[in-house]
Amino acid sequence: AQKITQTQPGMFVQEKEAVTLDCTYDTSDQSYGLFWYKQPSSGEMIFLIYQGSYDEQNATEGRYSLNFQKARKSANLVISASQLGDSAMYFCAMTGRGSTLGRLYFGRGTQLTVWP
Amino acid sequence: EAEVAQSPRYKITEKSQAVAFWCDPISGHATLYWYRQILGQGPELLVQFQDESVVDDSQLPKDRFSAERLKGVDSTLKIQPAELGDSAMYLCASSLDDGASRVEQYFGPGTRLTVT
Repeated sequence: AQKITQTQPGMFVQEKEAVTLDCTYDTSDQSYGLFWYKQPSSGEMIFLIYQGSYDEQNATEGRYSLNFQKARKSANLVISASQLGDSAMYFCAMTGRGSTLGRLYFGRGTQLTVWP
Repeated sequence: EAEVAQSPRYKITEKSQAVAFWCDPISGHATLYWYRQILGQGPELLVQFQDESVVDDSQLPKDRFSAERLKGVDSTLKIQPAELGDSAMYLCASSLDDGASRVEQYFGPGTRLTVT
């Protein structure tokens, strides 16, 4: 089964600075997908970025980039130029193959606080 | 932009009572997921539907939880009787599953359940 580990319960960053949120994963599948979601206090899960296991380039979406190191099984999220509105919970998640293709396995999340 | 709809947004119920949540996925999305998110943790899959069929309900406590998607469109998740430990956010998500390697899930706003 897939397993996601997020070891940082909380992170603090000053506005306009960059921050890296850590994520490691464990799977025996060769093909899988890695996702990052943002969850504000209102509760909805907002998709941020996706990385496929066969993608050779690191994914980027605006201020978000995913530092994918396959051999180390890590998929860290980098947020550049942090904004106050980035304060939220961030979840790393992954999919696998088989009949449950598409179901997401989530980590415990990292609470990011951006201060002025 | 199409969204996943959920109702109610908030529900307070007494233990031993019955409670039901409703989800309407994005039109055309064949796959529907119900996740439960306990405070301080990441979401965990309860049940996954492909059209009207259950694909995975291995984590659904079947003695008290039931889920249906009768016409392969909207879905209802029921708890009877509710227990204190059921207090959580219940998230519904849907995905297109058109055979592409990336299977992005779109989440609804969630139903926050409090059992007293």
